Amino acid sequence: DGGITQSPKYLFRKEGQNVTLSCEQNLNHDAMYWYRQDPGQGLRLIYYSQIVNDFQKGDIAEGYSVSREKKESFPLTVTSAQKNPTAFYLCASSPDSYYQPQHFGDGTRLSIL
Amino acid sequence: GENVGLHLPTLSVQEGDNSIINCAYSNSASDYFIWYKQESGKGPQFIIDIRSNMDKRQGQRVTVLLNKTVKHLSLQIAATQPGDSAVYFCAENIWTGNQFYFGTGTSLTVIP
Repeated sequence: DGGITQSPKYLFRKEGQNVTLSCEQNLNHDAMYWYRQDPGQGLRLIYYSQIVNDFQKGDIAEGYSVSREKKESFPLTVTSAQKNPTAFYLCASSPDSYYQPQHFGDGTRLSIL
Repeated sequence: GENVGLHLPTLSVQEGDNSIINCAYSNSASDYFIWYKQESGKGPQFIIDIRSNMDKRQGQRVTVLLNKTVKHLSLQIAATQPGDSAVYFCAENIWTGNQFYFGTGTSLTVIP
């Protein structure tokens, strides 16, 4: 089955710690995205990548970093500079062409210890 | 309605009734729209999409209507079932870019 796998499902961060969220897709999609979801708010774009070794900041990139070394993988690091990291993080992918929906993983819930 | 802060709009319907969920989008240049369903603790699931050159599109038990004049999108679910209980939100996209903009969602509860 093709899809997007996010891990872990739950993650806890200590003060001053960086944590990395994994996102892997086997849909052969070129474009990948990271969103943050907070209660009662729409998804907000953190970073996106349209091709390997290239990525762009979204609306709320501060305190986050990404890499795109392989087409299948787009890990997100939540750094200690992100002062309010508690949220539900969603990874998505899509073909890099017009009028194509994004497909989502099942998310990682990050909490602060 | 959409974007009402910390509390999602809610809709409660009886099982078997039809549901209508609304979305007001913001950008008149948006030309591609998607409805997603999100169950608690899961990622959004694609339901149906529509391009701006259409006013209506039907799927299995779902219909999306697009009114470009007033920038309004609606999702109609026929014969609503308990498994339809979830948060539904719309997304808009301009064909020149890969970025989507998402509404805050409406929480649908189906009463058995």
